[in-house]
Amino acid sequence: DAEITQSPRHKITETGRQVTLACHQTWNHNNMFWYRQDLGHGLRLIHYSYGVQDTNKGEVSDGYSVSRSNTEDLPLTLESAASSQTSVYFCASPNFGQPQHFGDGTRLSIL
Amino acid sequence: GQSLEQPSEVTAVEGAIVQINCTYQTSGFYGLSWYQQHDGGAPTFLSYNALDGLEETGRFSSFLSRSDSYGYLLLQELQMKDSASYFCAVKAAGNKLTFGGGTRVLVKP
Repeated sequence: DAEITQSPRHKITETGRQVTLACHQTWNHNNMFWYRQDLGHGLRLIHYSYGVQDTNKGEVSDGYSVSRSNTEDLPLTLESAASSQTSVYFCASPNFGQPQHFGDGTRLSIL
Repeated sequence: GQSLEQPSEVTAVEGAIVQINCTYQTSGFYGLSWYQQHDGGAPTFLSYNALDGLEETGRFSSFLSRSDSYGYLLLQELQMKDSASYFCAVKAAGNKLTFGGGTRVLVKP
């Protein structure tokens, strides 16, 4: 079955390190989104892409970057991890006009 | 920008009915979605309203009034497994979602 997978599921790192979170979908959808969710809050949009070589900033993009070199993957990079970026990260890849279905998430702790 | 307001917590007993209200202010609106999230899990899609009125999916129903910038999720015949957080989310152009802060529903026996 087509699906969306995120890796790793859990990661602990130190401040100042570069971290990359993976998001891979097998639906061949053009749209891909990254959100973060802080404890007790809703999701906030970080970056999104509507196709290969297309990337856009969301509401909370500072300190994050993405690249889209193929349809299946949208890796999220924290250039220099900060403790404020400790969060749970969710990726989604809806088809046009369809609801967003999320991956299982990556729980990131920055010490 | 977008902002959404929903109650932080609701408690009810099994078999009861719960209504979770959501009011929003938005600069662009395509529709209102509802998501359920159990502790430690991912948000899962429940319903979507693009037009005014009521949408029913089993025990869950969702309502939208665009003129009032208001919607609600109705949970009927509550079950223990319905204990979770529920989020309303405004859908804007480009399929982008802005989420409310979530309502934690606690179902008691």
